[in-house]
Amino acid sequence: DAGVIQSPRHEVTEMGQEVTLRCKPISGHNSLFWYRQTMMRGLELLIYFNNNVPIDDSGMPEDRFSAKMPNASFSTLKIQPSEPRDSAVYFCASSQTGGGYTFGSGTRLTVV
Amino acid sequence: AQSVTQLGSHVSVSEGALVLLRCNYSSSVPPYLFWYVQYPNQGLQLLLKYTSAATLVKGINGFEAEFKKSETSFHLTKPSAHMSDAAEYFCAVSGGTGFQKLVFGTGTRLLVSP
Repeated sequence: DAGVIQSPRHEVTEMGQEVTLRCKPISGHNSLFWYRQTMMRGLELLIYFNNNVPIDDSGMPEDRFSAKMPNASFSTLKIQPSEPRDSAVYFCASSQTGGGYTFGSGTRLTVV
Repeated sequence: AQSVTQLGSHVSVSEGALVLLRCNYSSSVPPYLFWYVQYPNQGLQLLLKYTSAATLVKGINGFEAEFKKSETSFHLTKPSAHMSDAAEYFCAVSGGTGFQKLVFGTGTRLLVSP
C-alpha cells in the first residue's frame, strides 16, 4: 500500500491566489482528516469526513477555506484567496473505524 | 469531550538513558490513546495505541506506554535512548469505538545527546 498520498509536497503562491491541496487516502479507510501544523498553534484539525460526508468543519479558519471529498479515494482542501497567515504544513490522514490514523507526508504551503 | 496534556515541550536525555514522555488525558468516555512520532519534514507516524485491551502497550522502535486509568495517564517510555529517537512526539486521544476524531497534544520534542 502506498499510504496516504498528498500533493503537492511544496507550494509557494502569492497572496490572493487560489491554492488547492490534494489527498488520496488509503484504500478501504472510511475516515479522512485535514490538519494544519504551525509552530505557534501546533496541530489543528480543520475538517473531517466519514464515508465521504463532512462531519465537522468547525476547525476551518474562515470561509476562505473549503474542503471536498467527491469519492472515497480523493479529497481536496482549497484556500481562496490565500493569505500569508495561511502558511503552514497541511496534513491529510485517513483511518478505519477504531484504528489509528495514517498520515500523509504533508504539503508545505508558503504564501508570500 | 476529549483532551490531552503533554508535560514538557522539550525533554533532553543522554544516549542510553531512560526516555519518559508524559501524557495525561481527559475523556468523558472510555478512551483510545495513541502516541505518534514526527521526524523533521515528515508526517506523523503511529508508535503505539491503546484500545482497551492490555494496559501495557508495546510499539515500534522499543517504545512502550502504560494506560493508568486511576492517574488518567498514558506515559511513553523507552529503556535506552538512541540518537535516532530525536524527534517530536505527540500524544492523542479519541472517544473509543465507532467513528473517531483524534485530539492531539501540543507535542514534546525529544533531544538526545551523545
